Amino acid sequence: DQQVKQNSPSLSVQEGRISILNCDYTNSMFDYFLWYKKYPAEGPTFLISISSIKDKNEDGRFTVFLNKSAKHLSLHIVPSQPGDSAVYFCAARGTGANSKLTFGKGITLSVRP
Amino acid sequence: DVKVTQSSRYLVKRTGEKVFLECVQDMDHENMFWYRQDPGLGLRLIYFSYDVKMKEKGDIPEGYSVSREKKERFSLILESASTNQTSMYLCASSSGQGLITDTQYFGPGTRLTVL
Repeated sequence: DQQVKQNSPSLSVQEGRISILNCDYTNSMFDYFLWYKKYPAEGPTFLISISSIKDKNEDGRFTVFLNKSAKHLSLHIVPSQPGDSAVYFCAARGTGANSKLTFGKGITLSVRP
Repeated sequence: DVKVTQSSRYLVKRTGEKVFLECVQDMDHENMFWYRQDPGLGLRLIYFSYDVKMKEKGDIPEGYSVSREKKERFSLILESASTNQTSMYLCASSSGQGLITDTQYFGPGTRLTVL
């Protein structure tokens, strides 16, 4: 059973517009959420995270929103740039899970110039 | 900066061969992980280790084993490679200090092809 779901496999947006990447989870024990970005032939790199005690975390052009009641989080990229084109993975960790992460399947973002 | 290195970027092996994938981290991290990434399946955890000589199965351990003899090094072993083990293999490490903000840092990956 997939505990972290990224239901849209791909997203295409125009440069300068907002990209919204969604992620849903089913395990209510998850208390920390992360987004990773991955270019082809490279390892994932950490992008931004949020604790379950917050509902928003912002870092430059990237903002993550968490809706605990809906078990939903989203990553907003504003403004989107062609260099943002990559696969984005949502990940979650539970209390006492000792850093073990559960990843979603990823979303391929394409930003058109 | 955390640095996680993997011994090979690309590897081609034959069915039945024993394959070793090596991972080294330079940040004195306690935790190390091995994942495989396949299209449409995301990152799936194979094995992880919280300490030297300790290992735990992840979600898909079948056909794999691991070794952690030194803190900085975590090896993934395919005892008898099969074509369905053709994949991108990713190693990661994290500090393991119990902080909620503990983050995993990934190596560049090894693209393994089994013929």
